[in-house]
Amino acid sequence: GENVEQHPSTLSVQEGDSAVIKCTYSDSASNYFPWYKQELGKGPQLIIDIRSNVGEKKDQRIAVTLNKTAKHFSLHITETQPEDSAVYFCAASMTGNQFYFGTGTSLTVIP
Amino acid sequence: GAVVSQHPSRVICKSGTSVKIECRSLDFQATTMFWYRQFPKQSLMLMATSNEGSKATYEQGVEKDKFLINHASLTLSTLTVTSAHPEDSSFYICSARSGTASYEQYFGPGTRLTVT
Repeated sequence: GENVEQHPSTLSVQEGDSAVIKCTYSDSASNYFPWYKQELGKGPQLIIDIRSNVGEKKDQRIAVTLNKTAKHFSLHITETQPEDSAVYFCAASMTGNQFYFGTGTSLTVIP
Repeated sequence: GAVVSQHPSRVICKSGTSVKIECRSLDFQATTMFWYRQFPKQSLMLMATSNEGSKATYEQGVEKDKFLINHASLTLSTLTVTSAHPEDSSFYICSARSGTASYEQYFGPGTRLTVT
């Protein structure tokens, strides 16, 4: 089955700096890669996603890049704000049903 | 749009009793709903997938007789934890998908179950 690895597990950045979280996947058949933000005690919130036919997608301060050849995708957050502090999960999917989640990255933005 | 609710948000029950958790898609029809379990500081573990009007498909290692799932309508799925034990204490989260053409899953806010 698919195996998704996520790094780093924790990340601290100064407010205004950029944050980058990386994920790798093992199954080349995976074609959908969402990113979720989870605040303490809450459910995950979809923040951005990308399909395998696209190399990059951007939504305001958030962007995702995908390298199909190397089987990795990354989340980029620019101009970080304290409210960006949360746990971020990447996932990979082939069918839209089975999501294989990464282990999560705890992001802390220091004011 | 794409809002999923869960009820209750927190529940405490005694060992041996059953607990029902509801998951509703508020502004879209969910052809498929998913139930996840999350342990503290860990990732999400898929328990089962349910399609409206069909029996749920359980992941390996998940006891179907213990975790009863009913997807009675396009907006409601329920998870019943039967004969709950302290080891069933966890954060249960549902998600919903609007159709086969759409891959997005929208998650509910989760239910914290504590079994005493």
